[in-house]
Amino acid sequence: NAGVTQTPKFRILKIGQSMTLQCAQDMNHNYMYWYRQDPGMGLKLIYYSVGAGITDKGEVPNGYNVSRSTTEDFPLRLELAAPSQTSVYFCASSRTGTDSNQPQHFGDGTRLSIL
Amino acid sequence: AQKVTQAQTEISVVEKEDVTLDCVYETRDTTYYLFWYKQPPSGELVFLIRRNSFDEQNEISGRYSWNFQKSTSSFNFTITASQVVDSAVYFCALTLDTGRRALTFGSGTRLQVQP
Repeated sequence: NAGVTQTPKFRILKIGQSMTLQCAQDMNHNYMYWYRQDPGMGLKLIYYSVGAGITDKGEVPNGYNVSRSTTEDFPLRLELAAPSQTSVYFCASSRTGTDSNQPQHFGDGTRLSIL
Repeated sequence: AQKVTQAQTEISVVEKEDVTLDCVYETRDTTYYLFWYKQPPSGELVFLIRRNSFDEQNEISGRYSWNFQKSTSSFNFTITASQVVDSAVYFCALTLDTGRRALTFGSGTRLQVQP
């Protein structure tokens, strides 16, 4: 059981470059999330999706975009990388339903540095 | 809006000591879920416990126990007879039963257990 898989694990970008952080889950979860974790802080929500074709902004969406064309995949795109986007990015998924708010399953994170 | 406060930034104990990590939350909703996650030095997030707002029973799992008190909006976590492997950052988090169901995290408490 792979759970939530994030790639890459580490990446260094130059200012102004773009990249896509990949996230895939194999648990048929409907909800998926992207969080960022800055040093010494808790995680903050960037974007989320409640199902294929449906996405919405979280607390800190500026500079990012997402798409959800399938249940399994939820990529996060940085269009013009800025130093403020240096962070650890976590993807998570959860199943909701009659027994709602099952714990979110997290990927191992992507450590991104913008120089 | 929801808020989770973990006032203890860092705690250092000696092995076999008991330690309590504090968590205070704010929400106007009556139905919500509280979580604790562990983040070891390797960086991944490990789910520890979920508690819903209607269940104030304390829970014990091995050396871990949780005390949920709605009257004080607290959800504290105690480790009994701490071990070096307990060294990690611990996050308390809250989610509602509606909407995006994303986690609102506290800023975390770093626990160092010295041998």
